[in-house]
Order: sequence, then structure tokens, then C-alpha cells
Amino acid sequence: KQEVTQIPAALSVPEGENLVLNCSFTDSAIYNLQWFRQDPGKGLTSLLLIQSSQREQTSGRLNASLDKSSGRSTLYIAASQPGDSATYLCAVRGTGRRALTFGSGTRLQVQP
Amino acid sequence: GAVVSQHPSRVICKSGTSVKIECRSLDFQATTMFWYRQFPKQSLMLMATSNEGSKATYEQGVEKDKFLINHASLTLSTLTVTSAHPEDSSFYICSAGRGRRLGEQYFGPGTRLTVT
Repeated sequence: KQEVTQIPAALSVPEGENLVLNCSFTDSAIYNLQWFRQDPGKGLTSLLLIQSSQREQTSGRLNASLDKSSGRSTLYIAASQPGDSATYLCAVRGTGRRALTFGSGTRLQVQP
Repeated sequence: GAVVSQHPSRVICKSGTSVKIECRSLDFQATTMFWYRQFPKQSLMLMATSNEGSKATYEQGVEKDKFLINHASLTLSTLTVTSAHPEDSSFYICSAGRGRRLGEQYFGPGTRLTVT
């Protein structure tokens, strides 16, 4: 059974810092991995999708990497802003399963 | 883009009543939709996979007679929480994937259910 772990559980940084969020998964047989953002009481916003054959994806200040063999992904946020404050969720889709398995999330607070 | 809507966004009901939540893919057809549940400060847990024209597939520990899923068309799936109890209070989120390969899933905004 796939298990997804995110570290740290919570993070508080001053505005302008670069930061890295970590995600690990136990079963490397994945189809893709997605990073989401969730604001309090809200739904999910997809940030980046990495297919299993890819190593990284970039969108603006965000860069996500994937090392499938080691079961790890990182989300890099450059020049963080207070508006980046949210919970960031990592989710993987297995090759034999269409639903996503989510990590427990990292709650990010960017201090102005 | 691909938009998924949910209705209602919030619902409060009394214990013992039933509540229906709708999930719609607005600009694409979704043969498969997924229903997740999220308790406070926890992550999303898959409840069931909703397949158009066939029975839903439930995850272990999810009561299929309590959480009724109907996927009657390619753009609509409904989740009915029957005989709701306070412990069913949660945030329910649906998602849908486009096409057979379901490369990327698109999530609805969620429904906050409070059972009093």
C-alpha cells in the first residue's frame, strides 16, 4: 500500500526566503506526482504535475523535482511571499490505481 | 481549463437526515470521478471511485450503504450521506480526470458538511 510522507509538517519563514518542501513515497511504481496548494477551508489548486518519466517541472517561482527510484520529490519555492502561505500537499498516482494518495501536507507561513 | 464544481459548498443538517452532494465536470466529460474526505488538520483520504454507468468502488472501511454514490452521466456524480451522524462532519472533495489516461485530476472546491 502506497504511503506518502511530507516533511516538515509546518514551516514558518520570513518573506523573501527560498524554501524546500519534501515528499517521500514508499512505492516507486507511480504514474505521476502532483503538488497542490490548499488554503484554509478551501479546495485544492494544482501547482505542478510531474509524470514518472520526468525529473522536474517549473512554473514561475515553483520548481518540483522527482526522483522516482528513491521515492522522493521536492517543491522549491523561490523568493517566498506572504501570499504563499497555505498548506502544500503532495499526491501520487500509482500505475495500477487511478486515485491519488495524499501526504499529510506542509503548513507554510510566510511572515511579512 | 478543466473546471469541476460542487454543490452545495456548505451544508448543515440534523443527525439522522440524508444529504446529497453533487460533483460536476463543467467543460469536459469524466468517466471516472473520485470522492475524498478530509477531517480537520488531516489530509485527503479517498472514499470511493465513481464510475459512469457502473457501481462505485469503495475503499476499505467506507460503508457503501451509508455513502451512496451515483454516476449517472459523464459530467455528474453524486454522493449521498445517509442517516448522517456528527462524526460524518467533514470536508468532502471530488475530483475528475479527463480521458482514459487521467493524467491530471481536477478538484472541486469541496463541500463542508456539519451534522448537528
